[in-house]
Amino acid sequence: AQRVTQPEKLLSVFKGAPVELKCNYSYSGSPELFWYVQYSRQRLQLLLRHISRESIKGFTADLNKGETSFHLKKPFAQEEDSAMYYCALSPLTGGGNKLTFGTGTQLKVEL
Amino acid sequence: NAGVTQTPKFQVLKTGQSMTLQCAQDMNHNSMYWYRQDPGMGLRLIYYSASEGTTDKGEVPNGYNVSRLNKREFSLRLESAAPSQTSVYFCASSLDRVFGYTFGSGTRLTVV
Repeated sequence: AQRVTQPEKLLSVFKGAPVELKCNYSYSGSPELFWYVQYSRQRLQLLLRHISRESIKGFTADLNKGETSFHLKKPFAQEEDSAMYYCALSPLTGGGNKLTFGTGTQLKVEL
Repeated sequence: NAGVTQTPKFQVLKTGQSMTLQCAQDMNHNSMYWYRQDPGMGLRLIYYSASEGTTDKGEVPNGYNVSRLNKREFSLRLESAAPSQTSVYFCASSLDRVFGYTFGSGTRLTVV
């Protein structure tokens, strides 16, 4: 079974400060990992995925297989980054492409 | 391009009533999913359909049924609503596992 843990329910940072949203996972096979974001009153949307090694809106995430982590980082927080962030895992093979989500971290960027 | 469309957006039910949540996607995706979102619990998978004609249980299927009507549509039915089913329900679809999901805007359901 797979599990995704986001230890912080709420993370509050000042504008311009660095941001790190933590995500740890447990899965015996090879996972594909994602970050999703939900802005206020909007639908969940894909922020980035590990396989594409991309940087979206200044956010990056590195997969650390030794620590089984996929933390989301941004060097300088912006007010528009305030949102709920979910880390999610999908098996690379089998499993019917089911995503397992963490419980989410609410990011609040203060002025 | 509408993406994933869910109806209704809001619904209030009395305990014991039934209803069907509708979901349709226009992206020719193979897989579709129903999740519920509850405070402090994230998103939990109710049912999914890996392809047209197939459905499987997720993490929290009790009290729900689904129908994959065709490739576009995937409905979720509550036969006898209970207060514990008060939640926000999201439908999603995906082309394959590496592209991630596209979500609908959600249905906020309250059971009184």
